[in-house]
Amino acid sequence: NAGVTQTPKFRVLKTGQSMTLLCAQDMNHEYMYWYRQDPGMGLRLIHYSVGEGTTAKGEVPDGYNVSRLKKQNFLLGLESAAPSQTSVYFCASSWSRGNTEAFFGQGTRLTVV
Amino acid sequence: GENVEQHPSTLSVQEGDSAVIKCTYSDSASNYFPWYKQELGKRPQLIIDIRSNVGEKKDQRIAVTLNKTAKHFSLHITETQPEDSAVYFCAARLQGAQKLVFGQGTRLTINP
Repeated sequence: NAGVTQTPKFRVLKTGQSMTLLCAQDMNHEYMYWYRQDPGMGLRLIHYSVGEGTTAKGEVPDGYNVSRLKKQNFLLGLESAAPSQTSVYFCASSWSRGNTEAFFGQGTRLTVV
Repeated sequence: GENVEQHPSTLSVQEGDSAVIKCTYSDSASNYFPWYKQELGKRPQLIIDIRSNVGEKKDQRIAVTLNKTAKHFSLHITETQPEDSAVYFCAARLQGAQKLVFGQGTRLTINP
């Protein structure tokens, strides 16, 4: 049982390049989230999804797009990376009812130069 | 939307002493309040949570208290140990909402 897995773990991008971060969960969770973590600012929600084929904006969605074509996968895309997007990105998933603990992936450290 | 404020941002205590971290939330409709611990270089993990129909919850050396009237909740760690050193995050979820909103985090250091 792998839980929540993020790919890649590290990445360096040049300004203007694009990339996709992949999050996969094997717990059959309905909800999935993408957060970014910056020093002193906690975990800020970028986008989230409440089910296959649905997505919604979080607190800081600008510059990012997401897709959830399959229930177990949630993709985060950067179309044109900027230095301000240098951060650690965490994916998380949870049930929709009952025990709503969010399980996190191991994180992706992204540097945009 | 919900807003969560967490204090202090850093906290240093002597091993064996107690540590308290406080959070306030803005929306009275919030009904779920988890606490996450993040060790250096690792993912956040749930350590304890509380729902709005409960005022206090304990799990060994860790406890969480909730004051719905004042809209604040606190994490209490007693008999602190070096392995308690980490960043702690509080969070809140609105009833019926899907989003989990986090506080800014508290870096707790336990001094031997």
